[in-house]
Parts: sequence; C-alpha cells; structure tokens
Amino acid sequence: EAGVAQSPRYKIIEKRQSVAFWCNPISGHATLYWYQQILGQGPKLLIQFQNNGVVDDSQLPKDRFSAERLKGVDSTLKIQPAKLEDSAVYLCASSLPGLAASSYEQYFGPGTRLTVT
Amino acid sequence: AQTVTQSQPEMSVQEAETVTLSCTYDTSESDYYLFWYKQPPSRQMILVIRQEAYKQQNATENRFSVNFQKAAKSFSLKISDSQLGDAAMYFCAYNGAGSYQLTFGKGTKLSVIP
Repeated sequence: EAGVAQSPRYKIIEKRQSVAFWCNPISGHATLYWYQQILGQGPKLLIQFQNNGVVDDSQLPKDRFSAERLKGVDSTLKIQPAKLEDSAVYLCASSLPGLAASSYEQYFGPGTRLTVT
Repeated sequence: AQTVTQSQPEMSVQEAETVTLSCTYDTSESDYYLFWYKQPPSRQMILVIRQEAYKQQNATENRFSVNFQKAAKSFSLKISDSQLGDAAMYFCAYNGAGSYQLTFGKGTKLSVIP
C-alpha cells in the first residue's frame, strides 16, 4: 500500500514570495490534515478536511495561508506572501473514515521543509 | 484545551538496553486515544503504538510497550532491546474521541549508543 505522498521535499523562497505544497493521501483515507512543525516543536494542526469539506481551520492564518482539497483526494496548501516565521516543515497526514479506533491513527507523509530567507 | 507534556528533551540508551520515555497530559475528557510517534532524521512521522483510554490493558507492539496510568494522566513508552534504528525524536500525542485532531508534545530526542 502506497503511503502519503508530498512534494516538494525542500523549498527555499524569499519573504513575500508565494509557495505551494502538494499532498496525495493514502487511497481510501477520507480525512486529510496539514500540520506545521517548527524546529524543536511537535506538529501543530493547520487544517483538517473530511472528503473535500473543511472540518477545522481554526489555526490556519487565513490572511496568508489557504488550502483546498478538490475532488476529495489530493490537497494543496499555499502561502502567500511568506514571512520569515513560516520557515518550518509542513506535514500532510491522512486517516480512515469512521468511528473505529483505527480511524484515529494518522499516517504522515515525508513533509516539505520550507526555508524563507 | 488539552495539553501534552514531555519533560525529557533528550535521552540516551545503550544498544540492547531498555529505556522509558515519559509523557503526561491534561484533559477533562473521559474517552480519548494516546499515541507515540517516531520521527527519524528523514522527518517522516511513524506511528509506534496506540492506547485507547477505555482499555485497562497496556498496549504492546513487539519491543515497544506503554505504561498507561489514566488517573495520573501518564503515558510512558518503554523500548526494550534498543537498536540503533530506534534513534529518533519521539512524540507523545493525544486525540479526544470524536475530534480526530492530534495534540503533540514537544518531543524527546533518543540517542542509541553502540
């Protein structure tokens, strides 16, 4: 079974530029998450999708961050314009739908390391 | 809001020995899930073990086991027969039942000494 795919793996941009990250979840996983992981910290949830609808985006800085999940599969996270404090690893994760204990297990992609200079 | 605390920023263990990583959490919920994730230098978060709060029996996955103390809100991870490949950041995470949102601790960096 293929895992969560993310691209690019690395990205370096200047402040005020824009950047986009792509995520393809595990097949059949209806729930998709984007996390921001700043160096030395645990991941922080930015946005959660259930199929192509947003479940929670309360921690997404909406003045500069946007995300979409068209057709309920792939997702794109965009930052425009980027700030120095956006330098972090951006992780995508997915999980099965339902109420079973296994539905609470999230499977992560390899992440994108963003450096803003 | 739920919080997860890992009080050991760094730990080390001799190869083949046993090490225990600590985690405490704060919640007012009665039904929830706890996880340990491993993050090697490659950055990919790998699920190590899951514990359901309604289960009294501690979860075990091969060399990995937990000590879940619900009343004390404590959830430690024991790694037996440590291997070089166990070297990584370990994150404790909490998920309230029905929310599907993980809250992570700050992590513990585990080094394995040959």
